[in-house]
Amino acid sequence: QLVLTQSPSASASLGASVKLTCTLSSGHSSSAIAWHQQQPEKGPRYLMKLHSDGSHSKGDGIPDRFSGSSSGAERYLTISSLQSEDEADYYCQTWGTGIRVFGGGTKLTVL
Amino acid sequence: EVQLLESGGGFVQPGGSLRLSCAASGFTFSSYNMNWVRQAPGKGLEWVSVISGSGYSISYADSLKGRFTISRDNSKNTLYLQMNSLRVEDTAVYYCAKESTGDRMFDYWGQGTLVTVSS
Repeated sequence: QLVLTQSPSASASLGASVKLTCTLSSGHSSSAIAWHQQQPEKGPRYLMKLHSDGSHSKGDGIPDRFSGSSSGAERYLTISSLQSEDEADYYCQTWGTGIRVFGGGTKLTVL
Repeated sequence: EVQLLESGGGFVQPGGSLRLSCAASGFTFSSYNMNWVRQAPGKGLEWVSVISGSGYSISYADSLKGRFTISRDNSKNTLYLQMNSLRVEDTAVYYCAKESTGDRMFDYWGQGTLVTVSS
């Protein structure tokens, strides 16, 4: 079964960096994912597509502060130079045969 | 500029029906898979359904089969979701999302429309 696992919450200080993790379930470690950001009271926004080799392509207008990397079944989203507007929920997303799957989301608090 | 604009949400009693629409612009609508995704209050994103660009290939989340129907009108650049036998637990913001070329990643989202099911 295709499942994406995310930690429910994370926090980091203004100006610091944070690394969020999305873990693919067994048997799916080579799958690509997408990262999406959802700021409070807004719709989601596509950040990037991230492949198993760590290569990634970002959406329109996504700052260089956002980057992605991979290791085995784990997919990472790193946000550097944290700003207040980065406080949001972050979701990973992938797909299987006839389905689309979201992780449970990570709520990022900027201290 | 890609734009997705949902409409049709509102208040409905349990057992009722509602049809959501998503008007698309800024891209060749018929060339892309389109999805509905929902988000219950205070909860995460839940995928609902996908339809291919031609409309011939359709999939639903297992929990929704038989009650919801996705469709599209490529002549009107519009995606639809017909929701029947609505339940209180269907209360959510419903988003439409476009898939990118060559993979199944959602690269554009609408702003959402709220559906409230309550007696």
